[in-house]
Amino acid sequence: DAGITQSPRHKVTETGTPVTLRCHQTENHRYMYWYRQDPGHGLRLIHYSYGVKDTDKGEVSDGYSVSRSKTEDFLLTLESATSSQTSVYFCAISPNSGSTDTQYFGPGTRLTVL
Amino acid sequence: AQSVTQLGSHVSVSEGALVLLRCNYSSSVPPYLFWYVQYPNQGLQLLLKYTTGATLVKGINGFEAEFKKSETSFHLTKPSAHMSDAAEYFCAVSDGSGGSQGNLIFGKGTKLSVKP
Repeated sequence: DAGITQSPRHKVTETGTPVTLRCHQTENHRYMYWYRQDPGHGLRLIHYSYGVKDTDKGEVSDGYSVSRSKTEDFLLTLESATSSQTSVYFCAISPNSGSTDTQYFGPGTRLTVL
Repeated sequence: AQSVTQLGSHVSVSEGALVLLRCNYSSSVPPYLFWYVQYPNQGLQLLLKYTTGATLVKGINGFEAEFKKSETSFHLTKPSAHMSDAAEYFCAVSDGSGGSQGNLIFGKGTKLSVKP
C-alpha cells in the first residue's frame, strides 16, 4: 500500500470555524490531490499540487485553500466552514500526472460541519 | 471537456453471475480511461486503465474492460462475481494532458451488491 495518511480521520466542527486537513505521504510522489466525495456526485477535485509551492484549482475550489511547503505534506484549509462542506475528503498522490498515471488514495477524512 | 456517465447507481448480481458495469464517456480527444474500486470505509484503488494500445484491458481481481471508440464506452466486466466484489466502482476519464485540463473526471459511481 502506498504510504498515505490523512489527519484527522474524523472531525466535527461548527459553521464559521477554520479547519485544516493534512495529507502526508512517504512515497516522494510529485503530484498530490484533494477530492471531496458526496453521495450522487462521485469524486470531485478541489485542488491539486504538481510540486512544492505549485498548486492549482480543481472543479470545486471555492471556499478552500491549499498549501504545500514540503514534498510530503499537502494541507487543505477551509477558512470558514459551512454546512455544504460536510463531506468525506480524500487525498491522492501520483508519481506523474494523475491524468495518465495511477492515483493512490488515502483513507479519507469525514468532516461534519454543524 | 471530458465527461463520464455510469449507467445504474446500484447493480445487484448473484454470486457466480456475470458482472457488467457500464461506463460511457465524452471526450474531444483520445481518452485515457480508468476504473477505480472503493471498498466500504476505504479510499479508492485502481482496477485497470486504458491509455493506448490494446483495447481489451485486464485488471486486478479478474476484472477487465474493453475500450470501444465507436460506442464511446468502457464497460467493466467479470465473468463470475464473488462476495468480495461488493463495493462501489468508479469510471474516470482524462485527456492525458498535464495541467488542470488533464485531471481525472470521475463518474458518480455504481454500487455493486453480490447476493449469496
